[in-house]
Amino acid sequence: DAKTTQPTSMDCAEGRAANLPCNHSTISGNEYVYWYRQIHSQGPQYIIHGLKNNETNEMASLIITEDRKSSTLILPHATLRDTAVYYCIAIIQGAQKLVFGQGTRLTINP
Amino acid sequence: SQTIHQWPATLVQPVGSPLSLECTVEGTSNPNLYWYRQAAGRGLQLLFYSVGIGQISSEVPQNLSASRPQDRQFILSSKKLLLSDSGFYLCAWSVQDREHTFGSGTRLTVV
Repeated sequence: DAKTTQPTSMDCAEGRAANLPCNHSTISGNEYVYWYRQIHSQGPQYIIHGLKNNETNEMASLIITEDRKSSTLILPHATLRDTAVYYCIAIIQGAQKLVFGQGTRLTINP
Repeated sequence: SQTIHQWPATLVQPVGSPLSLECTVEGTSNPNLYWYRQAAGRGLQLLFYSVGIGQISSEVPQNLSASRPQDRQFILSSKKLLLSDSGFYLCAWSVQDREHTFGSGTRLTVV
């Protein structure tokens, strides 16, 4: 699995868009970019994933650069409940194991 | 719909006592099952995963073991707990090419 690099922490104001970057410069052609988040004292929650096209669902949008070496998770209108650790993982779809890095601790401020 | 049950939510156990944490999945067949641990202030570490009944893969050497007696049941055990076994234990499942779904976790404190 390709290594991913994320900032350790970020802050965002409530109601604004939160943009979380992830670098995955060694990603291979068959590896997807997955995003999960972990709210304090809960299990991780799947957010979104993509291969090369931008993706959007009810939770977030995922923007993947054309060279696929980096991506950005966008929470369009952040709320206090979005405060969590966000994990970016590059992995083959259907892979049996997830390897979590340290993630980005996102704090949404009122 | 699929659901995952993990219990207990919290557990305080003395050093040297046994441990049994249970995880069950409903609404799916032949899932991949996983046990993760998160020590205080640390990241998620994969402990065990299983692709079928009786098939267990261990990711790290440790004081713990896992078993899968039924298709949708995954058990984490220890014969004698150590202080270092304290942490937040998470069970998860996945099928085919779908994302992992995690349980609500068990916070274990060994005293």
